[in-house]
Amino acid sequence: AQSVTQLGSHVSVSEGALVLLRCNYSSSVPPYLFWYVQYPNQGLQLLLKYTTGATLVKGINGFEAEFKKSETSFHLTKPSAHMSDAAEYFCAVSGGFGNEKLTFGTGTRLTIIP
Amino acid sequence: NAGVTQTPKFRVLKTGQSMTLLCAQDMNHEYMYWYRQDPGMGLRLIHYSVGEGTTAKGEVPDGYNVSRLKKQNFLLGLESAAPSQTSVYFCASLADRSYEQYFGPGTRLTVT
Repeated sequence: AQSVTQLGSHVSVSEGALVLLRCNYSSSVPPYLFWYVQYPNQGLQLLLKYTTGATLVKGINGFEAEFKKSETSFHLTKPSAHMSDAAEYFCAVSGGFGNEKLTFGTGTRLTIIP
Repeated sequence: NAGVTQTPKFRVLKTGQSMTLLCAQDMNHEYMYWYRQDPGMGLRLIHYSVGEGTTAKGEVPDGYNVSRLKKQNFLLGLESAAPSQTSVYFCASLADRSYEQYFGPGTRLTVT
């Protein structure tokens, strides 16, 4: 069984400030972890993913996330927020090969303050 | 290369009516998925398919049926629509072992 918890359904940061979106997961098998972004009235787009190997993964648009097994976390960060980062962000987990179903968190809406 | 497309983009149904949502992908992906998105609940898996001719239930399958007669198409049917099925429906596809799901633009369905 897998589950994802995203802390904070709404996060606001000032333009140029650090973005930190929190994700904790539960999985009975080694997890594969993902962050997706959804802009208004659009589908989801993959930001980054962790499958195996390096625990710090870099994605598109300057985002990165670190897999911390001991903390069961996969927080998303960006050093300097841009207005174009305003969107909804979803963390998701799958069980990898043979279990390619994604379980999503409830999402975090990111607002950027000018 | 259109990726994942969904038809229609919007639909309004009356309670008890039926409809079919079409998802098409041109990436030769094996796996396809149907999700629904509701405010505050993220995306929840309705049904999925691991290849042509196969289907399986997801987390919230009740009230929906699916078919995958052709590899590139995945159809989601509502036999008797209910207001609780008002939602945004997303289709996704996955290449074998890539672990990245590609999403369509969504279908906004309202049941009155």
